[in-house]
Parts: sequence; structure tokens; C-alpha cells
Amino acid sequence: DTAVSQTPKYLVTQMGNDKSIKCEQNLGHDTMYWYKQDSKKFLKIMFSYNNKELIINETVPNRFSPKSPDKAHLNLHINSLELGDSAVYFCASSQNMWASGDTDTQYFGPGTRLTVL
Amino acid sequence: AQKITQTQPGMFVQEKEAVTLDCTYDTSDQSYGLFWYKQPSSGEMIFLIYQGSYDEQNATEGRYSLNFQKARKSANLVISASQLGDSAMYFCAMREGFYSGGYQKVTFGTGTKLQVIP
Repeated sequence: DTAVSQTPKYLVTQMGNDKSIKCEQNLGHDTMYWYKQDSKKFLKIMFSYNNKELIINETVPNRFSPKSPDKAHLNLHINSLELGDSAVYFCASSQNMWASGDTDTQYFGPGTRLTVL
Repeated sequence: AQKITQTQPGMFVQEKEAVTLDCTYDTSDQSYGLFWYKQPSSGEMIFLIYQGSYDEQNATEGRYSLNFQKARKSANLVISASQLGDSAMYFCAMREGFYSGGYQKVTFGTGTKLQVIP
């Protein structure tokens, strides 16, 4: 069974379009995250949710809107896609960022490679 | 200042040899966690090993061990008996902020690309 899954794995779209990426975890974790990995492999946090509550919202354009319908799901919707949005987007989950403290280990999904043409 | 520094963008190692991947970190927190992840060419991020700042013993997981030197703020990953399947990008990461009152997050280094030569 896949622990953290993302769909789609690849997404190719035109500038200006709106797209969504879905993430699901079956680990029973309370905390979920979105990361962006750029072409130089640099990994940066975008958002984190704990029990459906937004905790971290890094400096991300408001064209990016996360939604957590329940603690096992965290989706990312992107409006008006731009060339610079091309990247690999990773979803991750961890047991509980507040309760587990510094031992809280994040487990990643397989990533979604977004290409904006 | 960089929170996590990985100074080796790329490394080669002969199969069956041991290799050390360097990682230094910068934090003013007393309590923090250090992690290593592997990213093979297929793209997924695989958790390898964790070290807590108060752990006195170096963490080990199979062929992976973490050489933790707190005073030097280094958390090097040692892979023993390298295998061809170890060829990948390796990322060092740190979690801090749990006790400082702010929200805590994980910061990743820029990665080291390891290639294992037959």
C-alpha cells in the first residue's frame, strides 16, 4: 500500500490555465505539507496543515491555494499558471508537528512534475 | 547564513567502499532534529535516518549511519559497502523551532549527487 500518494504524476499545461494536484496519505498522520523542488533540486516548504488547519504559509503567490478536506487529504490548486511554476511538487506527511516535536519525520509522496508551456 | 550546508555537489565512490556525505547546520535552538533523505533518479524522496540533538549515540539504520558532532554542528551521512542502487541525490535536513515558540519547519540542504562506480 502506498503511504503518501499524489495525482497526477505528470502535468503539462499552458500558461494561464488552472490546475490541481491531489495528495492522500494512509499513515494516520495529522500533519501534511506541500513542497516545491525547482530545477536545481532545491526543496522549499510551501504550506503545512495540521488536522486540517493551515499552520505554515510561506511566501507563496496567492495563486496557490491549498485545501484539506480531512486530515488524510491535502490538495493544491494553482490559478493562472506561469512559466516559473514549472517544478516538481511534493506532498509529505508526518505524525504530528506539534506532538512529535523534533522527532517528527516527514514521509514524501512520489512528486508531481508540473510543466507550464 | 545557510541553515543547512552540503558542500559536495557531486561525489563518486567505488562499489563496496564506504562514503561520507558532509552536512553542517546552523541553529540557535537547543533542541532540533537532523534528517537524511535519498532521491534516486526516479524522483521520490526516501527517508533514511534521523538524529536528535540530545541523542548521545550516533544514529544507525542498516548500512547508513549518521556521524553527529554537535560541537562542530555537523551531521555527516556514512554509507558503508556502497551499492549501485545507492546512486542518487542525498539531502540533509533540519527541524528546529519546536521549543522556541514559533512554528517549526524543516529546512533542506542543496543536496549531494552520489554516483557509485562498478
